[in-house]
Amino acid sequence: QKEVEQDPGPLSVPEGAIVSLNCTYSNSAFQYFMWYRQYSRKGPELLMYTYSSGNKEDGRFTAQVDKSSKYISLFIRDSQPSDSATYLCAMSVGIGGTSYGKLTFGQGTILTVHP
Amino acid sequence: NAGVTQTPKFQVLKTGQSMTLQCAQDMNHNSMYWYRQDPGMGLRLIYYSASEGTTDKGEVPNGYNVSRLNKREFSLRLESAAPSQTSVYFCASIPGRKSTDTQYFGPGTRLTVL
Repeated sequence: QKEVEQDPGPLSVPEGAIVSLNCTYSNSAFQYFMWYRQYSRKGPELLMYTYSSGNKEDGRFTAQVDKSSKYISLFIRDSQPSDSATYLCAMSVGIGGTSYGKLTFGQGTILTVHP
Repeated sequence: NAGVTQTPKFQVLKTGQSMTLQCAQDMNHNSMYWYRQDPGMGLRLIYYSASEGTTDKGEVPNGYNVSRLNKREFSLRLESAAPSQTSVYFCASIPGRKSTDTQYFGPGTRLTVL
């Protein structure tokens, strides 16, 4: 079983829809949770980062972490065609020691927002 | 400021051939990483370098070697390429060594091994 599971989709929604992307994980040591966005034939870029449980909002994007359920989500409100991309969740155990910034990624969810 | 650059962008190899993927960053970052991305598998860490002169294995190191030539450059070598190494390879870097540092990715190298 992979440490981080993410439904690869693909997910297709109409413009303006609310999108929900999710990941589950098995390693209870994960403390830092990120969402990366990857456009076709490009490298991933950081979208949002959260620490431990709770919500974080940035414009149309909300990241949610539930450590008790080992479940994280990314919500996109008023989705736009420009949001069409692959969304990757990523997690890490800590900021020091031997973590060295290493991340464990989910498989990525392919999202298409059609006009 | 070019960020993270990778060469080549595309490469086709025959089984058994060797090649080196080059990565360079101009952001004075300390840590650098090599990932491979396969359909349905996400990004998997091959090797990383927490600082100049140090390297360590990630999740899938078999069949690869790396060199942290200096602070800017981190190369990935395939000594004897196999079809299973067909993938998209990404290099990334972070300013320090903390998980909270944003990883900056290069544009990727698309490698096909026949």
